Amino acid sequence: KAGVTQTPRYLIKTRGQQVTLSCSPISGHRSVSWYQQTPGQGLQFLFEYFSETQRNKGNFPGRFSGRQFSNSRSEMNVSTLELGDSALYLCASSWTHEGNTEAFFGQGTRLTVV
Amino acid sequence: QKEVEQNSGPLSVPEGAIASLNCTYSDRVSQSFFWYRQYSGKSPELIMSIYSNGDKEDGRFTAQLNKASQYVSLLIRDSQPSDSATYLCAVNNYQLIWGAGTKLIIKP
Repeated sequence: KAGVTQTPRYLIKTRGQQVTLSCSPISGHRSVSWYQQTPGQGLQFLFEYFSETQRNKGNFPGRFSGRQFSNSRSEMNVSTLELGDSALYLCASSWTHEGNTEAFFGQGTRLTVV
Repeated sequence: QKEVEQNSGPLSVPEGAIASLNCTYSDRVSQSFFWYRQYSGKSPELIMSIYSNGDKEDGRFTAQLNKASQYVSLLIRDSQPSDSATYLCAVNNYQLIWGAGTKLIIKP
């Protein structure tokens, strides 16, 4: 079974630009969550999508947005990039079985804003 | 506010010893609990999940859950240098809530 696939793996952007990151979940998983992780920091929750609907949202500015398609693939977009947006962006897909949910991460996209 | 607390470390343990990692959570109705391992520059990897009180063993790893005291722990027996990583605790109650992680260093 293929794992969670994130593209691209690395990205360098200039301040003010926008960026779109992609995540393909494990087949059969309908929930996709996005996280930001900066050096020495824990996982900061961005948002979660389930069946094309945003189910939860973290405390990030409106420059961060996302969506999920009917095939469960998800994208997140960051507009007007700032230097502080440089981070590892992680996508996790999850499934619920017998009331228990487990999440699995992709390899992440490392975004550098210069 | 729902919280998950971990000691940030670093926790230094000699090779071959038992490493003990702890996590407390605030939401009493939390149902499922996870430990993830994250190597530097890599993504978190699920290593243990536990759903009911008591111990759950998987190889050198043992997860312990005490819902009355609202803590979950991870024991790593016969610690190896390859166990050096940051260990993240996550608690699920409709949404995964993450601890900030404990950095574990296994000294040869």
